[in-house]
Amino acid sequence: EPEVTQTPSHQVTQMGQEVILRCVPISNHLYFYWYRQILGQKVEFLVSFYNNEISEKSEIFDDQFSVERPDGSNFTLKIRSTKLEDSAMYFCASRVGGDTEAFFGQGTRLTVV
Amino acid sequence: RKEVEQDPGPFNVPEGATVAFNCTYSNSASQSFFWYRQDCRKEPKLLMSVYSSGNEDGRFTAQLNRASQYISLLIRDSKLSDSATYLCVVNNGGYQLIWGAGTKLIIKP
Repeated sequence: EPEVTQTPSHQVTQMGQEVILRCVPISNHLYFYWYRQILGQKVEFLVSFYNNEISEKSEIFDDQFSVERPDGSNFTLKIRSTKLEDSAMYFCASRVGGDTEAFFGQGTRLTVV
Repeated sequence: RKEVEQDPGPFNVPEGATVAFNCTYSNSASQSFFWYRQDCRKEPKLLMSVYSSGNEDGRFTAQLNRASQYISLLIRDSKLSDSATYLCVVNNGGYQLIWGAGTKLIIKP
């Protein structure tokens, strides 16, 4: 069964460092998402990406964040200068489109120290 | 009013009981609806899509009430393994999926 894959599963980084979280969405999907979830809190939308551009983004997704789909398969989230409060689980998701459901990767746990 | 609202719970339910959750949504133009299940420290996983006519999958039944703008999830004969957070998701026809905060369910032996 096709699945969304994310790497790494856990990343520890120092405050102020740049991190890149990687995702490989399901191959025939057209809509891609990043979400984050701080431990014990709700899933928060960061950004959606369609047709090689950002379609929507939340207030959380400020200038420190960027996304790319460099090669037609990978979908990356970059955080330029990490803060302690960026520590969370980051989930990538993809869906075909229209009324279809989203499929999630297993997440990257980011710990900023 | 939040776009998608759920009772956060927790719902503490004895094994074998029936439990129901509701989720209300604010946008009457919402087009598709889903229930996801999330186990602690895991990714959300699709439990079921919610169709206008209602749908059932084993012990799980989902209903949509467009007039009152809510969806429901009924779990019959609950098992210990049903303990999780249940997330309501609504698609308004745009790019974004709108997530509820989740309802925590604890099944007790």
